[in-house]
Amino acid sequence: KAGVTQTPRYLIKTRGQQVTLSCSPISGHRSVSWYQQTPGQGLQFLFEYFSETQRNKGNFPGRFSGRQFSNSRSEMNVSTLELGDSALYLCASSLGGAGNSPLHFGNGTRLTVT
Amino acid sequence: AQTVTQSQPEMSVQEAETVTLSCTYDTSENNYYLFWYKQPPSRQMILVIRQEAYKQQNATENRFSVNFQKAAKSFSLKISDSQLGDTAMYFCAFTITGSARQLTFGSGTQLTVLP
Repeated sequence: KAGVTQTPRYLIKTRGQQVTLSCSPISGHRSVSWYQQTPGQGLQFLFEYFSETQRNKGNFPGRFSGRQFSNSRSEMNVSTLELGDSALYLCASSLGGAGNSPLHFGNGTRLTVT
Repeated sequence: AQTVTQSQPEMSVQEAETVTLSCTYDTSENNYYLFWYKQPPSRQMILVIRQEAYKQQNATENRFSVNFQKAAKSFSLKISDSQLGDTAMYFCAFTITGSARQLTFGSGTQLTVLP
């Protein structure tokens, strides 16, 4: 089975721009979660989508949004980019049912805001 | 709110030796899961081992085992027969049962296995 695929791997944007990151989960996985990883704040939960609905949301401003499509692929959008948004963005997929199926992570998208 | 603390930013171990990484957590919940993930330079987070809080028996996966002390809220990872490929950042993580996709991570321990 193919793993979790995140595109692009690297991205450089300018302050004020917006960006869209993509995540394709493992086949059969219906839950997609997003995490932000920075040297200062570590790994922080952004949000989780299951069956096209946002199920959980972390403590991030409204500039961070996401969506999930009917094939479970997910996109994350950050508008009005700030320097502090520079980070590694990790996507993880899981079966997502009532049980606690483990998360499978992708290789991440490295976003640099200049 | 839950917190996870890893007090060892960096550790090193000789190849074939044993090393223990520490993790403590704080929660008022009774049902939860604990995890250890590794993140090599490839950046992909890989699940090493997980422990269900209601299970008293410590989890084991090949060379990796945990020492889970629920009362002390401690969850250490022991790596036996360390290999060069074990070099990575190791993260301890916590989640409440039923919310498995929302993990709270510790700050990580960079483990270097020396030849």
